Amino acid sequence: AQRVTQPEKLLSVFKGAPVELKCNYSYSGSPELFWYVQYSRQRLQLLLRHISRESIKGFTADLNKGETSFHLKKPFAQEEDSAMYYCALKGRNYTGANSKLTFGKGITLSVRP
Amino acid sequence: DAGVIQSPRHEVTEMGQEVTLRCKPISGHNSLFWYRQTMMRGLELLIYFNNNVPIDDSGMPEDRFSAKMPNASFSTLKIQPSEPRDSAVYFCASSRTLDYGYTFGSGTRLTVV
Repeated sequence: AQRVTQPEKLLSVFKGAPVELKCNYSYSGSPELFWYVQYSRQRLQLLLRHISRESIKGFTADLNKGETSFHLKKPFAQEEDSAMYYCALKGRNYTGANSKLTFGKGITLSVRP
Repeated sequence: DAGVIQSPRHEVTEMGQEVTLRCKPISGHNSLFWYRQTMMRGLELLIYFNNNVPIDDSGMPEDRFSAKMPNASFSTLKIQPSEPRDSAVYFCASSRTLDYGYTFGSGTRLTVV
């Protein structure tokens, strides 16, 4: 079974403050991790995926297999970062085919001026 | 590319009525997913199809829910009869194959009164 845990529902910070959105996962095989973002009343959009090892809009996330975590970080938050963020996991079964994408419950990031 | 198209954007219906949500995936995408988003549960996968065939419907809450994909360019999610607890935003997503990232539609906001 695959599970994604986002322990916090809301994070409120001031503009310019560092941000860390926590994500922990449970999966017995080799996972692929993602962060999706949903701005107010918009569709979900892929923010980044761990295999790309890239920084998008100043956000980064490192897969830590020892801690089974994939926390999303940004050193200086901007007001336009205010949104709902979902961590997601896609597993690979032993035949190599990917399975479905499982989401955490999401966290609302609020960046105040 | 118009992306994943969902209709209607909003639906308000009375308890007991039948509701049909529609989704047009991106042309060439072979996998289609139906998710439900609520404040309490976050994003839940209801069912997904690969090459028009349902692969996993274990997330469908009960027999009142059914989904079809008669061809590669169209899918429906039907609730009959609807209940107030079905009120949520229903997202459709598609991907080129199960190995690729998902593209989400704008969602249908369903309110059952």
